[in-house]
Amino acid sequence: SQTIHQWPATLVQPVGSPLSLECTVEGTSNPNLYWYRQAAGRGLQLLFYSVGIGQISSEVPQNLSASRPQDRQFILSSKKLLLSDSGFYLCAMTGVKTSTTNEKLFFGSGTQLSVL
Amino acid sequence: QQPVQSPQAVILREGEDAVINCSSSKALYSVHWYRQKHGEAPVFLMILLKGGEQKGHEKISASFNEKKQQSSLYLTASQLSYSGTYFCGTEVAISGAGSYQLTFGKGTKLSVIP
Repeated sequence: SQTIHQWPATLVQPVGSPLSLECTVEGTSNPNLYWYRQAAGRGLQLLFYSVGIGQISSEVPQNLSASRPQDRQFILSSKKLLLSDSGFYLCAMTGVKTSTTNEKLFFGSGTQLSVL
Repeated sequence: QQPVQSPQAVILREGEDAVINCSSSKALYSVHWYRQKHGEAPVFLMILLKGGEQKGHEKISASFNEKKQQSSLYLTASQLSYSGTYFCGTEVAISGAGSYQLTFGKGTKLSVIP
């Protein structure tokens, strides 16, 4: 079965510090991978998605970046965190590759990031 | 492009029914529904792919009106376990790109009380 591992569960970082959140998946090959952020009152905001190794699409301009060094690994990074980067970050995947999302999203357990 | 959900919040007593609406300003390819408990990841409920399609999951069902570009989630005889935030995700075609984008609404917070 498909499983998403996401860590850490909570993170408190000072403004200006770097960030690295990691997501690994099991039970499928060549999945589509996604990073979402959930800030209060804004719902689920898509940040990045990847259809394969080294292929990253960004949905919103920001000081965050994503990388996919391996098929089942997706990393969210920042060189300098801002207060506005606080939120609940979720990694998600779909197992079947199609041009549409007619396949349900599996979400990881999320990372609650507080930037102080 | 973010779909609009209504209401933003609703409080129900056990056994009562509720309807959550999701509407889009763009033509929809599909509609997704997810439920999220506080501090947890969203959990998939259902996808509706065709106009007029209705699907059910226990006592939770949904409809998709392609013409009106909207979907509704129906919760019947609500249980305490139904509490959470419900998100709709709408999928639209990206013009000229041959691909689609899934965008979520801000969510509807449902609280079921004894």
